[in-house]
Amino acid sequence: DAGVTQSPTHLIKTRGQHVTLRCSPISGHKSVSWYQQVLGQGPQFIFQYYEKEERGRGNFPDRFSARQFPNYSSELNVNALLLGDSALYLCASSLTSGLAGGPSQYFGPGTRLTVL
Amino acid sequence: DAKTTQPPSMDCAEGRAANLPCNHSTISGNEYVYWYRQIHSQGPQYIIHGLKNNETNEMASLIITEDRKSSTLILPHATLRDTAVYYCIVRGLNRDDKIIFGKGTRLHILP
Repeated sequence: DAGVTQSPTHLIKTRGQHVTLRCSPISGHKSVSWYQQVLGQGPQFIFQYYEKEERGRGNFPDRFSARQFPNYSSELNVNALLLGDSALYLCASSLTSGLAGGPSQYFGPGTRLTVL
Repeated sequence: DAKTTQPPSMDCAEGRAANLPCNHSTISGNEYVYWYRQIHSQGPQYIIHGLKNNETNEMASLIITEDRKSSTLILPHATLRDTAVYYCIVRGLNRDDKIIFGKGTRLHILP
């Protein structure tokens, strides 16, 4: 079975541009979460969507937005890019939402965004 | 902030058991302990989780102390492919799936 897939793998943008990152969850998974991982740090939670509704939001500015489509795939959008947005952006999927002790989240390989 | 404390790095000889400690002294009764690892330039990979009993799967064993304030992840026969950053995470019953990652332990397996 295919795992979580993300596109593109790598991306280079300049300051002020916007970017759209895409994620396809594991088949049957209805929850998608997005994380930002800056070099040398652990991943930081940005958003979670479950059944196309936002379930959680991390401490990120309004330049960051996301949505989930009827097929449960998701997009992360970042506007007015800053140098500090350079990071690995990770997508994770799970069957349900908030079920501690249950099946865990599965992460994709990430999109490496470089802002020049 | 992460609710766990881990050593920043550890070394282990190939073929030996790797024992990775984690302190979670403020854990509450309905919170689980999860372990993930992240091999360089890949997404985090789920390893194991537990509530209060010791757990074992094909990847590792999880030993949780009786007071639940600390735990140890055991990789029984470490290989070079186990070189990674290991994250210990505490999660409770939440509406969302948010995982709060700390800085983890960078495990080096030595040949």
